[in-house]
Amino acid sequence: TQLLEQSPQFLSIQEGENLTVYCNSSSVFSSLQWYRQEPGEGPVLLVTVVTGGEVKKLKRLTFQFGDARKDSSLHITAAQPGDTGLYLCAGAPQGGSEKLVFGKGTKLTVNP
Amino acid sequence: DTGVSQNPRHKITKRGQNVTFRCDPISEHNRLYWYRQTLGQGPEFLTYFQNEAQLEKSRLLSDRFSAERPKGSFSTLEIQRTEQGDSAMYLCASSLVLVRSSYNSPLHFGNGTRLTVT
Repeated sequence: TQLLEQSPQFLSIQEGENLTVYCNSSSVFSSLQWYRQEPGEGPVLLVTVVTGGEVKKLKRLTFQFGDARKDSSLHITAAQPGDTGLYLCAGAPQGGSEKLVFGKGTKLTVNP
Repeated sequence: DTGVSQNPRHKITKRGQNVTFRCDPISEHNRLYWYRQTLGQGPEFLTYFQNEAQLEKSRLLSDRFSAERPKGSFSTLEIQRTEQGDSAMYLCASSLVLVRSSYNSPLHFGNGTRLTVT
């Protein structure tokens, strides 16, 4: 079973601070996706990273895929209350399975 | 694009009863997935369909669970003889996959059906 470990599990910060959340595995993934989920709603895709070492930016969010395609990070600059939510990473396993494997998520709270 | 629609949004049932959930995917999407999410966990894969064919099932999907997608459009997930451990959010997602093993296809999730078994 391929597992994705996310850290930290909970993060509470003040508006304007920077933060990084991590997604780690001992397994290699062919691609990795980041989702954001708000209470009572389904996850919404933020980004897909495919190539080892790839960096993608989405406004104040920076996503990086590790060189070995086993880990990823999400960095948020100058966090805002609207960034509050559950951030989930999900990996597409190598070897034929079409299912995405999700981490448990990082619950981010940005206080005004 | 009206998004993925799931009904009902909430279901409360007594242990031992059967329940059925419905998912209407984005109309042009050929793949449909069912996931289950419990409090403090990420979504766990249950099963997926390519058009009307059910191609993969998780070991989490016991014989009390059955999913169908009869015409390759909407899907239903039935749980028979519900147990308290079945209480969870059941999420449906769809995607459009044009080539085999195109892992980059993003999943579009519905807002889920929250099941409470008392």
